[in-house]
Amino acid sequence: DVKVTQSSRYLVKRTGEKVFLECVQDMDHENMFWYRQDPGLGLRLIYFSYDVKMKEKGDIPEGYSVSREKKERFSLILESASTNQTSMYLCASSSNIAGGPSDTQYFGPGTRLTVL
Amino acid sequence: AQSVTQLGSHVSVSEGALVLLRCNYSSSVPPYLFWYVQYPNQGLQLLLKYTTGATLVKGINGFEAEFKKSETSFHLTKPSAHMSDAAEYFCAVSAETSGSRLTFGEGTQLTVNP
Repeated sequence: DVKVTQSSRYLVKRTGEKVFLECVQDMDHENMFWYRQDPGLGLRLIYFSYDVKMKEKGDIPEGYSVSREKKERFSLILESASTNQTSMYLCASSSNIAGGPSDTQYFGPGTRLTVL
Repeated sequence: AQSVTQLGSHVSVSEGALVLLRCNYSSSVPPYLFWYVQYPNQGLQLLLKYTTGATLVKGINGFEAEFKKSETSFHLTKPSAHMSDAAEYFCAVSAETSGSRLTFGEGTQLTVNP
């Protein structure tokens, strides 16, 4: 079974702090994704990566950055956390075996971040 | 670009009743369509997906969905609801032009009453 793990289930930070959310997958997947989940808005893509050291902006990249130094690990960084970044953050991974758009994404359990 | 609309943010059914969760999509190119489920305090997991071929797709836990191009719909159904089906359900779309990116709908919270 594919396993995607996230470093924390719950996180509380203060405004202005630098926040790191870590995601690790164990299936040698090429693609990794960071989403933000808010009630009534579904999942919105923040950033994704299709290879080591490669990254692409998603729909809501403002206020976030990412790092992918190793294939299995994809980090989301909040340079200066703000209260409007309080949310559930979900990481996902997928392979490119089927060619991209039909690939299944596998999700981690999520990190619920509260910024005070 | 693709988009998804899920009609009804909350759906409530009785145990044993039909489950129908509605999803309409917009795409200028042939879509790939997905339904994911999120149980409480968990990440999302795939229920089923449509890529090409047969338009009626069967998934896990007795769910199925039918791709109707003329109606731009991909509604999710289950003949008989079980208490364990209570969860949030997300419809998503991708296409060749979007690569591996998925666009998700707003989600539908399913409640199953005894």
